[in-house]
Amino acid sequence: EAAVTQSPRNKVAVTGGKVTLSCNQTNNHNNMYWYRQDTGHGLRLIHYSYGAGSTEKGDIPDGYKASRPSQENFSLILELATPSQTSVYFCASGDGTGDTQYFGPGTRLLVL
Amino acid sequence: GDSVTQTEGLVTLTEGLPVMLNCTYQTAYSTFLFWYVQHLNEAPKLLLKSSTDNKRTEHQGFHATLHKSSSSFHLQKSSAQLSDSALYYCALSDLDSNYQLIWGSGTKLIIKP
Repeated sequence: EAAVTQSPRNKVAVTGGKVTLSCNQTNNHNNMYWYRQDTGHGLRLIHYSYGAGSTEKGDIPDGYKASRPSQENFSLILELATPSQTSVYFCASGDGTGDTQYFGPGTRLLVL
Repeated sequence: GDSVTQTEGLVTLTEGLPVMLNCTYQTAYSTFLFWYVQHLNEAPKLLLKSSTDNKRTEHQGFHATLHKSSSSFHLQKSSAQLSDSALYYCALSDLDSNYQLIWGSGTKLIIKP
């Protein structure tokens, strides 16, 4: 099974601060995704990437940037964190077959 | 555009009874349908996947059949277990979505003793 790791697993940030969430996958998948999950909203796509150097906006990109410096790594950046960005963030990689996605363990972010 | 509908937000069942979670979808393209399961404080994991019309797909005691005529991919299990309590997402992927996953809203399944 695909291995996707995320760091940190838990993060407390202050309003207005910069937050970087990191994701690494070791399965050579081209596609990578960032989601947030909130009660009542399910999984919502923030940004995604089709390969190193590419980033695309998902359904809710406002307030977030993404970076894909290599095949393995995909970061989500909150330049000016706000309390509304308190959530659980999941990274996923996709094998391009349909596209089956494999999720990391998630990062719990609390913005105070 | 594509969409996935899960009509039940919450399903509560007694252990041993059959499970059926509904999923219908809308697309104009040939599509892949998925069921993902997410246990409490864990990541979503693939449970089932299908692209073949009228073929039953099974995994870990669950099964689903893609019916293109009715645009459905319902998840079933003959006998619920306590460990089946989780959040279940139906999703689709096709050319119109650029093969990204279009997610349903999820169904929370609670199994009681």
